[in-house]
Amino acid sequence: GENVEQHPSTLSVQEGDSAVIKCTYSDSASNYFPWYKQELGKRPQLIIDIRSNVGEKKDQRIAVTLNKTAKHFSLHITETQPEDSAVYFCAAGAQKLVFGQGTRLTINP
Amino acid sequence: DAGVIQSPRHEVTEMGQEVTLRCKLISGHNSLFWYRQTMMRGLELLIYFNNNVPIDDSGMPEDRFSAKMPNASFSTLKIQPSEPRDSAVYFCASSFQGRSGYTFGSGTRLTVV
Repeated sequence: GENVEQHPSTLSVQEGDSAVIKCTYSDSASNYFPWYKQELGKRPQLIIDIRSNVGEKKDQRIAVTLNKTAKHFSLHITETQPEDSAVYFCAAGAQKLVFGQGTRLTINP
Repeated sequence: DAGVIQSPRHEVTEMGQEVTLRCKLISGHNSLFWYRQTMMRGLELLIYFNNNVPIDDSGMPEDRFSAKMPNASFSTLKIQPSEPRDSAVYFCASSFQGRSGYTFGSGTRLTVV
C-alpha cells in the first residue's frame, strides 16, 4: 500500500520568509496529492491540491510542485504571516488518501 | 450546505462501554472515510465506503470496531467494548467519487477512562 513520508516535523520561520515542506510517496498508482492545514482543535482543511498530470500549481502565496519520477511533492508558502502557523499535512492516493505525519509550522513575528 | 456533520463533538466513556460515533455526509457526495487522529500515529484511515458499500476496512484496528452506512448520507462508527487506547479524535470525511479533496467533519474527541 501507499506510504507517505513528510519532512520536517517542525519548522520555524520569521514572518515574511518562505516555508517549504516536502513529502515522498511510494505507490506509483497515486495520482492525487492534496495539502491540508489543521489549526489547533480544528478539522483539517484543504488548502491546495495537484494531480499527476500537472507539475506545479499556485494559489496566491501557496504553491505545490510534483515530481512523479522521483515520487516527491512539496508545499511552498511565501511571505509567511502569523496566521499561517498550523500543522500541515500532505497526502497521496487515488481512491483513498494516505496522510503524512504532519509538519508543525510556526511563524515568528 | 452545512458541510460534514459529526456527533457528538466530545464523548467521555468508561472502559467496556459501547460508543457510537455519527457522521452525515455533504449532499451529493458518495464517498465516506473514517479517520482516527492521535499524536503518535497521526491520521489513520480506518475504513471507507463508495456508494454505501465498504471498499477497504483494512485500517480497522480490531473486531471491536465496526462501521455502517445505512443510507447514502449517514454513517456510524461503533466501538464495543471501548478501551483506553481507543482515545483519539475520530474524523469522518466525504468526497465525490473519492477523486477530489476530502471535506472533513469537526471530529469527535473520544476519551475512554
